[in-house]
Amino acid sequence: DAKTTQPPSMDCAEGRAANLPCNHSTISGNEYVYWYRQIHSQGPQYIIHGLKNNETNEMASLIITEDRKSSTLILPHATLRDTAVYYCIVVTSGTYKYIFGTGTRLKVLA
Amino acid sequence: GAGVSQSPRYKVAKRGQDVALRCDPISGHVSLFWYQQALGQGPEFLTYFQNEAQLDKSGLPSDRFFAERPEGSVSTLKIQRTQQEDSAVYLCASSLQGSSYNEQFFGPGTRLTVL
Repeated sequence: DAKTTQPPSMDCAEGRAANLPCNHSTISGNEYVYWYRQIHSQGPQYIIHGLKNNETNEMASLIITEDRKSSTLILPHATLRDTAVYYCIVVTSGTYKYIFGTGTRLKVLA
Repeated sequence: GAGVSQSPRYKVAKRGQDVALRCDPISGHVSLFWYQQALGQGPEFLTYFQNEAQLDKSGLPSDRFFAERPEGSVSTLKIQRTQQEDSAVYLCASSLQGSSYNEQFFGPGTRLTVL
């Protein structure tokens, strides 16, 4: 079973920040939080990952709470092309196995 | 550069037929993964290769499913005697190494429909 809980769907206005929450209350100290997204008819695409510090790259920012039990993926200026299913995955350090949940379907509205 | 490619993109099979799905990983990627994605669900892990060695096949749903990667590059997922419940998108992914330190790069998938 997936170790994460995400809302099934969210809407966001184009140009606004999209904040996607993820709950991982049973996360262990050696487990990373990964985010992928899947645009319709494509394979999942890596976005960002983190352990305990906040992370930022050209695509998004990842905010992890101090107790590490939840995180938020932030797309700072959402565009229509960001419409996708976003998956939050907890991965044990040094392992390869991803256990996907059902993700959050983000719809960016014009 | 070229990403992960999969062929065919779509496959329709009659129940009972055998099918073979191909994956071409990114050149130089040691690790290769197969996933099955049912409609409306997230991908589910099937099997993992490191080079030519199949190190984990715990996710294969039955002995009708067989995967190989004989030369440590291209991989084939074979499904024998297909059933309607095998209808899904089959995703292949590759990574430099099989660990959480390396992101997985996914192909576009093969959509299998079993009639």
